[in-house]
Amino acid sequence: GAGVSQSPRYKVAKRGQDVALRCDPISGHVSLFWYQQALGQGPEFLTYFQNEAQLDKSGLPSDRFFAERPEGSVSTLKIQRTQQEDSAVYLCASSLGRGRLEETQYFGPGTRLLVL
Amino acid sequence: GNSVTQMEGPVTLSEEAFLTINCTYTATGYPSLFWYVQYPGEGLQLLLKATKADDKGSNKGFEATYRKETTSFHLEKGSVQVSDSAVYFCALNPLGYGKLTFGQGTILTVHP
Repeated sequence: GAGVSQSPRYKVAKRGQDVALRCDPISGHVSLFWYQQALGQGPEFLTYFQNEAQLDKSGLPSDRFFAERPEGSVSTLKIQRTQQEDSAVYLCASSLGRGRLEETQYFGPGTRLLVL
Repeated sequence: GNSVTQMEGPVTLSEEAFLTINCTYTATGYPSLFWYVQYPGEGLQLLLKATKADDKGSNKGFEATYRKETTSFHLEKGSVQVSDSAVYFCALNPLGYGKLTFGQGTILTVHP
């Protein structure tokens, strides 16, 4: 079946521009996560949705970052007034959402954002 | 807080060599532990996992044992192949809903 998809795969933005990154999770997956991966580092948690509810946004680095999942499926991560330090790969992951510690997360290919 | 520390890379091995990538963690409670792998040009994918002390996760010839006494989850493979060249990430999930904490990743290159 189809995995997690993300678009665009690459995005170049000028500093100060707004960007929107899209994630299509696996159908039927309740949980959705966004992570930020800087070059040469491991992914860092940004935010978590259970269906349409954003239950944890503790990892969002500033109020310029905003995420939504209005119908409990597709999610969008928006970054306003982009800065050079926002350059990173943004990963989306989804899981069944049954609340088990060992539950597997399925990752998308990521969106590589470069802010000039 | 929760954290994961992996051995620094890159690691370069010849085909059929033995592999160990060290991973230690700090966490409250009893987290689940994971190894994820990222092959060139591909997304992160789960390699193996363990949910409680002394559990051994295994997949594709890789193994890791959850050692609570040493807070470790070292990845091992007895005989690596060129196709194992990738970036390996150790991660933990301390909470029920899956907020993963990752290590910094270890680049593995296997030469023929």
